[in-house]
Amino acid sequence: AQTVTQSQPEMSVQEAETVTLSCTYDTSESDYYLFWYKQPPSRQMILVIRQEAYKQQNATENRFSVNFQKAAKSFSLKISDSQLGDAAMYFCAYKYSGGGADGLTFGKGTHLIIQP
Amino acid sequence: AAGVIQSPRHLIKEKRETATLKCYPIPRHDTVYWYQQGPGQDPQFLISFYEKMQSDKGSIPDRFSAQQFSDYHSELNMSSLELGDSALYFCASSFGSHNEQFFGPGTRLTVL
Repeated sequence: AQTVTQSQPEMSVQEAETVTLSCTYDTSESDYYLFWYKQPPSRQMILVIRQEAYKQQNATENRFSVNFQKAAKSFSLKISDSQLGDAAMYFCAYKYSGGGADGLTFGKGTHLIIQP
Repeated sequence: AAGVIQSPRHLIKEKRETATLKCYPIPRHDTVYWYQQGPGQDPQFLISFYEKMQSDKGSIPDRFSAQQFSDYHSELNMSSLELGDSALYFCASSFGSHNEQFFGPGTRLTVL
């Protein structure tokens, strides 16, 4: 079975600075998707970024980018120019792409604090 | 843009009672997923449906059942409720089984 590990329960960063959230995963599959979801205090789950395992190019979405290292099974999220609205729980998630409507496997989450 | 709709948003039940949670996916989405998120926990996948057929099953208790109807909405039925069932229940939908899952706002279930 696949597992997702987020080793940083909490991270703190000054507004306008850059922060990197770590995620490692374990799977025996070669085809899969990786995601970062944001969960603010409202508890809404918001997709931040998605990466297909077959793509070597790292995904980017505005101030958010990932460092995907397939051999190392590592998938970190970099947030540039941090803003107060970025404060939230961030969950890394895995989904096997070879099956049907497989569910997501989440890590335990990283609580990101933005210092003004 | 239309989002996933879940009802009710809040539900309070007594132990051993039954609860039904409803999910209305984004229009044209044919795939529905259910997740359970306990306090301070990550979401746990329960069950999914693609084109009205059960597709994948996670850690769903035998006391729970779910189905997807002809209009693609889904219902999660929970019987013999226990205190430990108190959680936020998310529904997510996608167009096809391999595309992004968009989450609803969740139903907060409290079992007393």
